[in-house]
Amino acid sequence: GDSVTQMEGPVTLSEEACLTINCTYTATGYPSLFWYVQYPGEGLQLLLKATKADDKGSNKGFEATYRKETTSFHLEKGSVQVSDSAVYFCALRSPSGGYQKVTFGTGTKLQVIP
Amino acid sequence: DADVTQTPRNRITKTGKRIMLECSQTKGHDRMYWYRQDPGLGLRLIYYSFDVKDINKGEISDGYSVSRQAQAKFSLSLESAIPNQTALYFCATSGITDTQYFGPGTRLTVL
Repeated sequence: GDSVTQMEGPVTLSEEACLTINCTYTATGYPSLFWYVQYPGEGLQLLLKATKADDKGSNKGFEATYRKETTSFHLEKGSVQVSDSAVYFCALRSPSGGYQKVTFGTGTKLQVIP
Repeated sequence: DADVTQTPRNRITKTGKRIMLECSQTKGHDRMYWYRQDPGLGLRLIYYSFDVKDINKGEISDGYSVSRQAQAKFSLSLESAIPNQTALYFCATSGITDTQYFGPGTRLTVL
């Protein structure tokens, strides 16, 4: 079945450091890939997405590239801010089958310190 | 106003009690979902509904039931709560795109 594996957290970085959160997936066909972010006390919200191979999703300085050859969708940001502290979820939506189920990773907590 | 609202936001109950969690949305979406979030397990799908007459079990539906009262309302019930149902519960909606929109969550504690 479909699965998403993302790096264990928590990740602690100093402000202005570079961020990479790894995400790899297993799926049949050509899934759509997502990064969702959950700020403290809130629900998840879409951060960025990519729907086909080599697409790059970007938003708020974050970006991720759909790499089909390595089945990866790593999240990157060149300079993190304290306000980026949150839990980040990688997810995929498989096109196969009648119900296009969304599968979430376990989440990676990011803490940015001043 | 929030597009997806959940009530209550926090609830503490005892084993064996019946609990209902409610979700309302103003996005006009047909598709609604209930997830639970547990530390280290991410989000797991409990039930989903593609319209008022369509209800489907997710991966962990045992011990739960749902009701889709209207396009905008989707309730989750625990008929007889047990401690391992202590979790954070999220309602979500989606429309014609594949983006899901989440409510703020309900933190449920079963003693």
